[in-house]
Amino acid sequence: QVQLQESGPGLVKPSQTLSLACSVSGGSFSSGNYYWSWIRQPAGKGLEWIGRIYTSGSTNYNPSFKSRVTISVDTSKNHFSLKLSSVTAADTAVYYCVRTGAGGGYWGQGTLVTVSS
Amino acid sequence: QAVVTQEPSLTVSPGGTVTLTCGSSTGAVTSGHYPYWFQQKPGQAPRTLIYDTTNKHPWTPARFSGSLLGGKAALTLSGAQPEDEAEYYCFLSYGDPWVFGGGTKLTVL
Repeated sequence: QVQLQESGPGLVKPSQTLSLACSVSGGSFSSGNYYWSWIRQPAGKGLEWIGRIYTSGSTNYNPSFKSRVTISVDTSKNHFSLKLSSVTAADTAVYYCVRTGAGGGYWGQGTLVTVSS
Repeated sequence: QAVVTQEPSLTVSPGGTVTLTCGSSTGAVTSGHYPYWFQQKPGQAPRTLIYDTTNKHPWTPARFSGSLLGGKAALTLSGAQPEDEAEYYCFLSYGDPWVFGGGTKLTVL
């Protein structure tokens, strides 16, 4: 079964770049029709889609983040990454990595990122 | 950007049936929006119950089903259990971007 696990710093300073990685086990980036997404959830609020990368490597981003976000994949390591630049306190949230597409949706456990000096 | 609408809250009696809906500001929801439904309990990550309108995961209880109803995506719970009390989110694909609904807090009471 596919399992996803987020990793990265839990604390980021304002104006810096938030960087997270998602390790994938039980599945491969190079096969299948899958979308690999980053989704976040501020405390007590709803879910927000940040962006996705397709198996082919093509990316799509939420316009709300477009100028600040980069999602990339390293197929040799079976992981994909999120970089969100110029962060503010409003970017404090639990960040989830998610696989959708053929076979349904699989979520990581989430990782809390706090933006604070 | 499209807005996806869900009922903010619903209440169902134990053993009862309830339908949660997911509408789109752009018009009728179709299978081409590939609707997903997620369940989230306090302190936990969401989990997928339904994908591509009607498909279930192996862990999806049989009492949950997905459909299109009256121009919306729908999640029906038949025979509610106390453990079904949770927040439920739908998710629609508009090609680019993808958009979440605001969530429905379901109370089993």
